[in-house]
Amino acid sequence: AQSVTQLDSQVPVFEEAPVELRCNYSSSVSVYLFWYVQYPNQGLQLLLKYLSGSTLVKGINGFEAEFNKSQTSFHLRKPSVHISDTAEYFCAVSNGGFKTIFGAGTRLFVKA
Amino acid sequence: NAGVMQNPRHLVRRRGQEARLRCSPMKGHSHVYWYRQLPEEGLKFMVYLQKENIIDESGMPKERFSAEFPKEGPSILRIQQVVRGDSAAYFCASSEGENYGYTFGSGTRLTVV
Repeated sequence: AQSVTQLDSQVPVFEEAPVELRCNYSSSVSVYLFWYVQYPNQGLQLLLKYLSGSTLVKGINGFEAEFNKSQTSFHLRKPSVHISDTAEYFCAVSNGGFKTIFGAGTRLFVKA
Repeated sequence: NAGVMQNPRHLVRRRGQEARLRCSPMKGHSHVYWYRQLPEEGLKFMVYLQKENIIDESGMPKERFSAEFPKEGPSILRIQQVVRGDSAAYFCASSEGENYGYTFGSGTRLTVV
């Protein structure tokens, strides 16, 4: 069975500082990995995805994530955050079937 | 090119009433998924449908909940005889195929009073 663990429920950070949101997964087969962002009272928006190939994946809004198979991790990073990045971020995993499993989410607070 | 459309955005029901949540997938998408989000929790998978077929309903409660995606019209998530514990945000997502990632609607926030 697959599972996703987001290691931090909340991450406060100052504007223009770098940020890393951590995600670990477990799966017995090959995986496909995703990061989504949810702004208040909205649905989730796909930030980036890893299907195969290069382990460094670039997404929208300046975010990137690195797939590390040996550590079963898919951490999300941004070198310099903005106030507008304040949102909840969800890591998700699929094993090639259609069901995607989501983590519990990490709330990013960007302070001025 | 409209995205995934969910309605209503907010729904208030008294205990024992029925709730119907609608979802029109993105144009060109034939796969529909329903998820439930409770406060301080992530999204919990409920059901995956294609046109006229339920593919995976392993996340659906055994009683009172049902879903359909008819040949014509939106997908419907139906909750009969609602209870307070059904209060949550229900999100619909669609995709064009396997592992393309999902496009989510804005959700329906159900409040049972």
